[in-house]
Amino acid sequence: SAVISQKPSRDICQRGTSLTIQCQVDSQVTMMFWYRQQPGQSLTLIATANQGSEATYESGFVIDKFPISRPNLTFSTLTVSNMSPEDSSIYLCSAIGLAGVYEQYFGPGTRLTVT
Amino acid sequence: RKEVEQDPGPFNVPEGATVAFNCTYSNSASQSFFWYRQDCRKEPKLLMSVYSSGNEDGRFTAQLNRASQYISLLIRDSKLSDSATYLCVVNSNQFYFGTGTSLTVIP
Repeated sequence: SAVISQKPSRDICQRGTSLTIQCQVDSQVTMMFWYRQQPGQSLTLIATANQGSEATYESGFVIDKFPISRPNLTFSTLTVSNMSPEDSSIYLCSAIGLAGVYEQYFGPGTRLTVT
Repeated sequence: RKEVEQDPGPFNVPEGATVAFNCTYSNSASQSFFWYRQDCRKEPKLLMSVYSSGNEDGRFTAQLNRASQYISLLIRDSKLSDSATYLCVVNSNQFYFGTGTSLTVIP
């Protein structure tokens, strides 16, 4: 299984500012994803981070609000732009390894609070 | 209709009990199935993949019923440490997560 780290682990930000979350995997992976999880809720997929090209966003999420980069096979960033209190959530990155099995492994998450 | 539906519980069971969770999915073309465990304030961790023939890992047994489009997770001899939220996940060109079933094992 892949080991995934995220930073920051948590942050408190003012509305109108932006935060970039980093996700690092310890081995090359085929796919990386970004999810959001509100307290007591399940995970909602924001986008698939594509290596070397634009991310694929799910309905309700747009690039201007959540720009994503994936410059190589082991690293991705998610930016939460022009934040509002509604963006307060846990943001998780996940990855699928090279073994050809669709098992996702998750980073520890970034707990974001927007005031 | 939701892609994946789970009974949210909560399930409160005594230590040593056997407990089963079910999860239904709507897309008959779904390709792969998983159970994840999520502890409070932690990320989901893969518990087990679910194979067509069913699979067992110690006290945990996962089953897939394609005809009825559901997957199940059976936990035998429950331990206090099994207390968590259990998420079923279905892959049909995208990963769909259930809302999770909360389990509390009581001493």
